[in-house]
Amino acid sequence: DAKTTQPPSMDCAEGRAANLPCNHSTISGNEYVYWYRQIHSQGPQYIIHGLKNNETNEMASLIITEDRKSSTLILPHATLRDTAVYYCIVRNTGGFKTIFGAGTRLFVKA
Amino acid sequence: KAGVTQTPRYLIKTRGQQVTLSCSPISGHRSVSWYQQTPGQGLQFLFEYFSETQRNKGNFPGRFSGRQFSNSRSEMNVSTLELGDSALYLCASSLEGGGNQPQHFGDGTRLSIL
Repeated sequence: DAKTTQPPSMDCAEGRAANLPCNHSTISGNEYVYWYRQIHSQGPQYIIHGLKNNETNEMASLIITEDRKSSTLILPHATLRDTAVYYCIVRNTGGFKTIFGAGTRLFVKA
Repeated sequence: KAGVTQTPRYLIKTRGQQVTLSCSPISGHRSVSWYQQTPGQGLQFLFEYFSETQRNKGNFPGRFSGRQFSNSRSEMNVSTLELGDSALYLCASSLEGGGNQPQHFGDGTRLSIL
């Protein structure tokens, strides 16, 4: 599975959009990009995933570059409850040796 | 729909003992994976089970083992516990483990070794 690189921490003002970048330059054609977040003392929460196209759900939007070497998770209107560690991972279609990196610690400030 | 349930939530053991952790996946999910999370190493993949068979394995010693039952529930066992085994153990389930199927995590079992 490809490795991902994320900034260790980011700040965002409450009510503004939070844009979290992820680099996955060694991604293979059959690997999906996934985003999870983890709030202290809880298990990781699934947010969104995609292969090539941009995706949107009730929680967030995922923008994947055309060459698929990077992506951005967008939380359109961040709230204090969005303060968490966000993990970007890539997974191929078979097997399940998912590799989590260190993630980005997002601080949403009032 | 109930989420992934892990029991117990907290456990305290001493060195040399063994421990068994339990995971009940989301109804209909047949793939169950286990992860270890520590402050130093982060989230590390232990193993994955599908249809009662171990399908993938991470780089952990043989003291860590697991099994899956016919109802997809899974257990993880750690024998001869060491201080370094203190961690949050997370279980995640998905429909069949395919790359296009999200894993959903439980809130984990926090294991402390004295």
